[in-house]
Parts: sequence; C-alpha cells; structure tokens
Amino acid sequence: GAGVSQSPSNKVTEKGKDVELRCDPISGHTALYWYRQRLGQGLEFLIYFQGNSAPDKSGLPSDRFSAERTGESVSTLTIQRTQQEDSAVYLCASSRTSGALGETQYFGPGTRLLVL
Amino acid sequence: AQTVTQSQPEMSVQEAETVTLSCTYDTSESDYYLFWYKQPPSRQMILVIRQEAYKQQNATENRFSVNFQKAAKSFSLKISDSQLGDAAMYFCAYRSGFGNEKLTFGTGTRLTIIP
Repeated sequence: GAGVSQSPSNKVTEKGKDVELRCDPISGHTALYWYRQRLGQGLEFLIYFQGNSAPDKSGLPSDRFSAERTGESVSTLTIQRTQQEDSAVYLCASSRTSGALGETQYFGPGTRLLVL
Repeated sequence: AQTVTQSQPEMSVQEAETVTLSCTYDTSESDYYLFWYKQPPSRQMILVIRQEAYKQQNATENRFSVNFQKAAKSFSLKISDSQLGDAAMYFCAYRSGFGNEKLTFGTGTRLTIIP
C-alpha cells in the first residue's frame, strides 16, 4: 500500500479485557516497530522486528504486552488484561531495512486505546 | 542510554516569520542519525528532516533547515516563512548507527502559527 496502516483507529475497552492492535507496513519494508505515546508525551519504543530475526522486545513494559509478525507482513500487538495506564496511542512504523544507512521510519496513524 | 531533550514545550510564531525549535541529546556514540518529525492533530508522524552525524553540512529541506552542532550535541530546527499548515507537535529523535534501529524521542514542542 501507499503507507503504513493501522486498525482500529480507536479502541475503547474495559479494564481486564484483552485487545489486539494491527499494523500493515509498507510493502517491501523488512523492519517494523511499535511505539507507545502517552498523552502529552513523546514516543516510547516497545518492540522491533527485522525480517526473520528474533524480535527486540526490550521496550515492552510488562509481560501483558506481546507482538507477532509473520515474515515481512502484518504485525499484531496484543495487550492482555488491560489496565488504565495502558491508555495511549500505539504507533507502528516500518522502514526498508536495517543497517548502517539509517533508513527512515514511516509511521502509521496510530490506534488510540482507552481503557475504562 | 541515549536521551533527547526538548526544552520548549510550546512555541508560537507569526505567519511568514522564522522560528527555531531546540533539541539537545546525550550519547557516547560517534555514529548516529537525528530526525525531526511533525505530528499534526491527525496523529500521523511525518518526517520533516534528517541529519547523519558524519556529515558536517547542515541538512535542508525547502523551508526547513537544521543547525547541527555535534560537539555541543545540539540539533535545532529552523522553519522559515512559517505557514498555518506548520502548526503541529514537533519531535526530535535520535537513532544509533549500530544495533537496534529504534528511535529515541524528545517530549515534543507544540508550535502555534499566529495568522
């Protein structure tokens, strides 16, 4: 597609429920990232996928957070037993490849999650 | 760990005037990349400009330019001839030249354009 897409655009859930957020990267982009943006703050790195390599999960805040990616396609971020502190905008980005060239990351429009 | 600091939570500028947004960063690395992203109310993060640390020449993209001072670890963004469409949150970001490709962001500067 023309850009990174994410769904849903907005999600309201009750505390304790599980949610799944989806990201479709730009076709041909091997690297995919998830970030979290709390209200009025900058973006925090969550997880990074590069091709078929093991993902870098160093930014995940707790074991309630997990993400999957099949090959170089769609990724799903899952939050189990949601808490009110999980309320944020979750942004996905993709780039052509990793390496020393510093490829630009292109962002999707994000999913705004509200946990009641 | 790298940190990025934006000390101006809010800035405003008259339409057609010039404004400079500040950013400083802390790193022990010699190879890295710096970015300015714009986030309008639509939430979409849009790349404004990027700078490779090994390049001495400051990057320029139309009305946007940077003042990259490597020794001072400073990376400011200058917007010339400000337009109403420039109103947004602006984030400075750092990316290491090694290992994980993650971006480390500052807390952002909200730019208001006064007609």
